[in-house]
Amino acid sequence: SQTIHQWPATLVQPVGSPLSLECTVEGTSNPNLYWYRQAAGRGLQLLFYSVGIGQISSEVPQNLSASRPQDRQFILSSKKLLLSDSGFYLCAWSVRPPWDNSPLHFGNGTRLTVT
Amino acid sequence: DAKTTQPNSMESNEEEPVHLPCNHSTISGTDYIHWYRQLPSQGPEYVIHGLTSNVNNRMASLAIAEDRKSSTLILHRATLRDAAVYYCILRDGGSQGNLIFGKGTKLSVKP
Repeated sequence: SQTIHQWPATLVQPVGSPLSLECTVEGTSNPNLYWYRQAAGRGLQLLFYSVGIGQISSEVPQNLSASRPQDRQFILSSKKLLLSDSGFYLCAWSVRPPWDNSPLHFGNGTRLTVT
Repeated sequence: DAKTTQPNSMESNEEEPVHLPCNHSTISGTDYIHWYRQLPSQGPEYVIHGLTSNVNNRMASLAIAEDRKSSTLILHRATLRDAAVYYCILRDGGSQGNLIFGKGTKLSVKP
């Protein structure tokens, strides 16, 4: 069966520090990968998605970036964190591309607090 | 994405069926109805989705009204592990992936 791993679970970082969140998927090949951010009591905002190695689509302009160095690895990064980057970050995967209405399977998220 | 309306909370007894309603009167012809659930400090978990016909899977059933302006998620036998916030979401068939969660329904299950 497929599993998705996301770490760390919680992170406290000072303003201006770098960020690296990692996500890996097991048990499937060529997954479509996503990074979402969930603000408290609100919906999920799609940040990035990837349909293949090295292919990244950005949905929201910001100081975050994403990379997919391997088929089942997705990384969310920032060179300098802002206070507004605090939130609950979720990695997800799907069998089919995002425009194909495929169900999403989420990791357990990273709670990021920027101080 | 079109808006959905759900009750804030519902209660159920363990091993009884649960019917979670969702109104989506502005649904368009290409909107799929998705249901996810979420426990505190965890990622959402996919439950079920459908377009027009009723759908069943191992977790639940989805009953869609004939005019598609409402739907009901049915948990056939609630367990304590089903206690979560349930979100009804409309996704356009051509959308990239934003999931607009409303406030959802907080389901409590009593033993």
